[in-house]
Formats: sequence, C-alpha cells, structure tokens
Amino acid sequence: QVQLQQSGPGLVKPSQTLSLTCAISGDSVSSNSAAWNWIRQSPSRGLEWLGRTYYRSKWYNDYAVSVKSRISINPDTSKNQFSLQLNSVTPEDTAVYYCAKGIRGWNGQNWFDPWGQGTLVTVSS
Amino acid sequence: QSVLTQPPSVSGAPGQRVTISCTGSSSNIGAGYDVHWYQQPPGTAPKLLISGNSFRPSGVPNRFSGSKSGTSASLAITGLQAEDEADYYCQSYDSSLSAWVFGGGTKLTVL
Repeated sequence: QVQLQQSGPGLVKPSQTLSLTCAISGDSVSSNSAAWNWIRQSPSRGLEWLGRTYYRSKWYNDYAVSVKSRISINPDTSKNQFSLQLNSVTPEDTAVYYCAKGIRGWNGQNWFDPWGQGTLVTVSS
Repeated sequence: QSVLTQPPSVSGAPGQRVTISCTGSSSNIGAGYDVHWYQQPPGTAPKLLISGNSFRPSGVPNRFSGSKSGTSASLAITGLQAEDEADYYCQSYDSSLSAWVFGGGTKLTVL
C-alpha cells in the first residue's frame, strides 16, 4: 500500500522559494509505471495541478503553464522521495499543497491515488 | 473559475439518491478523456472514488457510481449515509492546456 508523507515549512516570505518534500513508501520514485505530482488547493483557485516528475528510462518533467517559469520538481532516488520548489512566491501562492501518485490506466488516462496529507503554506511577511 | 463545472452544493436525506454533474468542453471530456472522481471529507486530503469514468477502486462501496456522456459526467450516490458528507471533485485532462484539470467541487449535505 503506497503512502506519501509530506514535509516542509508552512510559512514563506514573499519573493522567496517554497520548498516541500514528499517521501514515498510502498513504491519507488523510479517506477516505470507511475508519475509523482504536486497539486495545490485554495479557495480562489480550487484544485490546481502544478506538475510532475516520472521515470521512463530517463527522467521527465511536465509543468502547468501557470507556474512553468517558477517551478521545479525533482526526484531523490537515494531517499525515495520527490520535491517541489516554487520560486518568487506571492500571497497568491498561499494554498494547501498536496503530493500525489499519478496512475496511468490501460487507455493512457491518468488519475491521482493516493494523496499526501497536505501542507498549508502561507506566503506572508 | 474551474475548467470543469460542478454545482456548488447538493443535498439529500439519508437513504435517498443524489447526483453530481461535471460539465466540460471539447478540449477535455468531449475530446474523449476519462473523468475521475474524488471525495474530500472536511480537513482531509482528496481520496479517489471513481477512476476511468465508472470504475470503483477496492474498498469503495457500490453505492457510488459514475458515468460519462458527451461533454459531461455524473457521480451518483444511492442510499445516502451521514458519512457521505464531503466535498466531491471531478478531474480530467485538457488538451488545450496540456494539464490535468479539476471541477470546482460540490459540497454534499446529508439532511
């Protein structure tokens, strides 16, 4: 049974970098059949997919256009985890951030299961 | 404003049946991309309820069912129970955004 455990600070100052980590148990970040995602949730933006990292003989990343210039998602195979870095944050980035495993179905469609416990990140001075 | 449109709220008495709609467009649901559903009780992370339009993961009661037609999808819950009170979200893929997208969520109240 896959479990995801998030860690990272809950308060970040404007213009600084938001950093979160998601530790994986019961699966491998290097799995050839999974993708590792970050999703955030706020009252103003709802649920918003941010990006993913995945391994298919080499590492790939996909990012949402809305954050593409500021985001980096990286695997750490030595610790079986992956991380999120979001640069130049503003109060608009205040949200609950979730990591989630992306599962690819038989027809190539993707869904998210399971999700991490969530981390409320507030951007404020 | 979310790419997928859901009603903000629905309600029903215990034992009744409710449905939650999810309306998309020709770049997501209408393009043939699957719809998945999640349940989020207050203060918790979303949990997968339905994958691939109508498949229930192990452990999800058969009171929950999903369907899809055209540019819309629906989640039906029969035999409502108090524990079903939660927010429900639909999710699909949007080819014009090249991103996975969600509905705005529907709050289910069991009267």
